[in-house]
Amino acid sequence: DQQVKQNSPSLSVQEGRISILNCDYTNSMFDYFLWYKKYPAEGPTFLISISSIKDKNEDGRFTVFLNKSAKHLSLHIVPSQPGDSAVYFCAASVGFYGNKLVFGAGTILRVKS
Amino acid sequence: DVKVTQSSRYLVKRTGEKVFLECVQDMDHENMFWYRQDPGLGLRLIYFSYDVKMKEKGDIPEGYSVSREKKERFSLILESASTNQTSMYLCASRGDEKLFFGSGTQLSVL
Repeated sequence: DQQVKQNSPSLSVQEGRISILNCDYTNSMFDYFLWYKKYPAEGPTFLISISSIKDKNEDGRFTVFLNKSAKHLSLHIVPSQPGDSAVYFCAASVGFYGNKLVFGAGTILRVKS
Repeated sequence: DVKVTQSSRYLVKRTGEKVFLECVQDMDHENMFWYRQDPGLGLRLIYFSYDVKMKEKGDIPEGYSVSREKKERFSLILESASTNQTSMYLCASRGDEKLFFGSGTQLSVL
């Protein structure tokens, strides 16, 4: 039973346009959410996070939106660049210091130039 | 920069072999983790350790054990490798409330 779901295995976007990656969760106890990016042959790297006390967090071209009532979060990348092509993992935990991060299956983003 | 180093990039082992995957971090982090990554399943937590000699089971600990004798080193042990343990194994340490991952070990069990 996957508690964190990324229903789109892949997404293809034109350079300069917006990329929107979606994530749904089922455990209402989750209150801290993160996005990681993974390039081939490398480990995942932290991208951006949001706690449940917020509904939006922005860092440069990356913005994460949280809709607690829908148990849904999304990552927006504007504008998309070819270097953004990677696998994006959504993750969630109970508590800011939670040791058990639960990851989604990942979405492969391809940004075409 | 935080560095998490996994000793092998690729490993090929035979069914029934005992397999050791090693991980070292250089940031004095207390918490270290082992995940496996499989297509369509994402990253799943096998074990984690919050201090030397302290360990806790993750979501899929069956068939695995771990060892943390020194703070910087966290080892994953497959007692008797099986083909369903063929996977990408990722080690991580935690600092600043986020995980720092190694590059991964692709293990094939034949």
